[in-house]
Amino acid sequence: EPEVTQTPSHQVTQMGQEVILRCVPISNHLYFYWYRQILGQKVEFLVSFYNNEISEKSEIFDDQFSVERPDGSNFTLKIRSTKLEDSAMYFCASTLAGTQETQYFGPGTRLLVL
Amino acid sequence: KNEVEQSPQNLTAQEGEFITINCSYSVGISALHWLQQHPGGGIVSLFMLSSGKKKHGRLIATINIQEKHSSLHITASHPRDSAVYICAAVSSGSARQLTFGSGTQLTVLP
Repeated sequence: EPEVTQTPSHQVTQMGQEVILRCVPISNHLYFYWYRQILGQKVEFLVSFYNNEISEKSEIFDDQFSVERPDGSNFTLKIRSTKLEDSAMYFCASTLAGTQETQYFGPGTRLLVL
Repeated sequence: KNEVEQSPQNLTAQEGEFITINCSYSVGISALHWLQQHPGGGIVSLFMLSSGKKKHGRLIATINIQEKHSSLHITASHPRDSAVYICAAVSSGSARQLTFGSGTQLTVLP
């Protein structure tokens, strides 16, 4: 069964460093999402991406964040200058036709900012 | 802004019991998702509902749009059902993001 994959599974970085989290969505899906979950808190929407552009973003997704689909398969989330409060689990998800259908989540990347 | 509330926060049941988890939201939605989060953190989609009721195996999800309320039921619960169950709403006015509830930690004892 096709699945969403994410790399790395864990990343430790120093405050102020740039990180890139990578996702490979399911190959025929058209909508891509990033979510984050701070330890012990609820999952939060960051950004949705369709047709090579951001379709919606939350207030969390400020200028420090960017997303890209550099080729036909990868979908990346870049954090330019990490802060301690960026420590969280980051989930990528994809769907064929938007939020009104089943979302397929990746296993997540646990980011720890020291 | 849509507020999504779940109850209970924690639920412990004996194997075989019928489980109900509730979700309410504050503004109109176009769809509601039920998700399962495993102890390792992975998230699996269980249902997407926009009206009525859906059933998959021992899981049943219902939604009442007028009352802004959804329920997830598990019949004949089993220890392998132990997980966090999360509802997430798609607001009518914003069709491209989900608003998540805090989750219900379910523990089913053998």
